[in-house]
Amino acid sequence: DTEVTQTPKHLVMGMTNKKSLKCEQHMGHRAMYWYKQKAKKPPELMFVYSYEKLSINESVPSRFSPECPNSSLLNLHLHALQPEDSALYLCASSQVISSSGNTIYFGEGSWLTVV
Amino acid sequence: AQSVTQLDSQVPVFEEAPVELRCNYSSSVSVYLFWYVQYPNQGLQLLLKYLSGSTLVESINGFEAEFNKSQTSFHLRKPSVHISDTAEYFCAVSDSSGYSTLTFGKGTMLLVSP
Repeated sequence: DTEVTQTPKHLVMGMTNKKSLKCEQHMGHRAMYWYKQKAKKPPELMFVYSYEKLSINESVPSRFSPECPNSSLLNLHLHALQPEDSALYLCASSQVISSSGNTIYFGEGSWLTVV
Repeated sequence: AQSVTQLDSQVPVFEEAPVELRCNYSSSVSVYLFWYVQYPNQGLQLLLKYLSGSTLVESINGFEAEFNKSQTSFHLRKPSVHISDTAEYFCAVSDSSGYSTLTFGKGTMLLVSP
């Protein structure tokens, strides 16, 4: 079972709203990722958690706040977003983050529209 | 630092014709190579990967890719495509120097028509 589950699938929010995207995996993976994908573009890495600790933050604005409550869950808290933040947000996981070619598995994504 | 080049942004092809999607990479250390497919309005699915061993790797739906170290390439091929293969295909690389995050190419849109 190589499944990463993301909720909600679609989210429309105003620029003053606070919302969260959720991600869950039950593969025993200890590395979890958030990627952002704009239309017709490749995914861009935002954050990486390794053993529930934030390991990589790719200079993402503070209006995006990640959280890893436990080894199976990853959240992305959204606050005061801009219309240009509208995109597909992809969660992913892999066994570990070490440099041994671990395969990264992606969820179906959450489509975010900021109005 | 590593990079991936997918020269073709779009490849139109007729059903049952062969196809090749090109991918070249650049890295100063050993690499691991992946092809992901993204069907319209969906997430990314792993199609196939090269980690080590045999340079020819195959997927369950008829795609194959060959790792060519001398040409720094990992082209994706299928001898006969179906309408259902219409999708965006991303080549990606991670290397052995640090965290196994992915660097993606810009993607190639495969358009299969009847």
